[in-house]
Amino acid sequence: DAKTTQPPSMDCAEGRAANLPCNHSTISGNEYVYWYRQIHSQGPQYIIHGLKNNETNEMASLIITEDRKSSTLILPHATLRDTAVYYCIVGMEYGNKLVFGAGTILRVKS
Amino acid sequence: EPEVTQTPSHQVTQMGQEVILRCVPISNHLYFYWYRQILGQKVEFLVSFYNNEISEKSEIFDDQFSVERPDGSNFTLKIRSTKLEDSAMYFCASSDPVTNTEAFFGQGTRLTVV
Repeated sequence: DAKTTQPPSMDCAEGRAANLPCNHSTISGNEYVYWYRQIHSQGPQYIIHGLKNNETNEMASLIITEDRKSSTLILPHATLRDTAVYYCIVGMEYGNKLVFGAGTILRVKS
Repeated sequence: EPEVTQTPSHQVTQMGQEVILRCVPISNHLYFYWYRQILGQKVEFLVSFYNNEISEKSEIFDDQFSVERPDGSNFTLKIRSTKLEDSAMYFCASSDPVTNTEAFFGQGTRLTVV
């Protein structure tokens, strides 16, 4: 029942920007877009989230389209350690469950 | 950096036995969660816990499962009468709505039911 659509896999050259797309055409007005990643079988790790404005932190940038129906996670300089499954999740801001889809397997190659 | 701690990292149990998975959430967090991930499948929400009670649970979280915060620091998941299909990674997470909204996950407990 995930409300997002992501490509199953992507490759990226080390040092280049990785741009991971996500479609969330049924997002409601008060739902946020969250990105998490899971390296191997470790616990998921928060990356970034946003409502409608573009966001940037030390890990990544999040670009949300004006109609909020899609977004792109940008890892500006991908490294081998960024190889992981990236999950785009929509949900409320506080204390709510995360509904994980299959995510995008990002392979960073040297 | 504060982190969510889970013990044990790997638990092997006989089918039909009871297991307790333990988690120490980040100390000032108010929301607690359990998720599971069967090998090769998606991460699935099990239950959320707030103010000493379950706030939401999934269809997976049936009478076989229970959660408890026994002493104000630990958060436990009990699975009674384990089945082979309960074999999975179980992740605990916590979040604090006052300072941030992201969930912090532990490294998981791999439960193997034999």
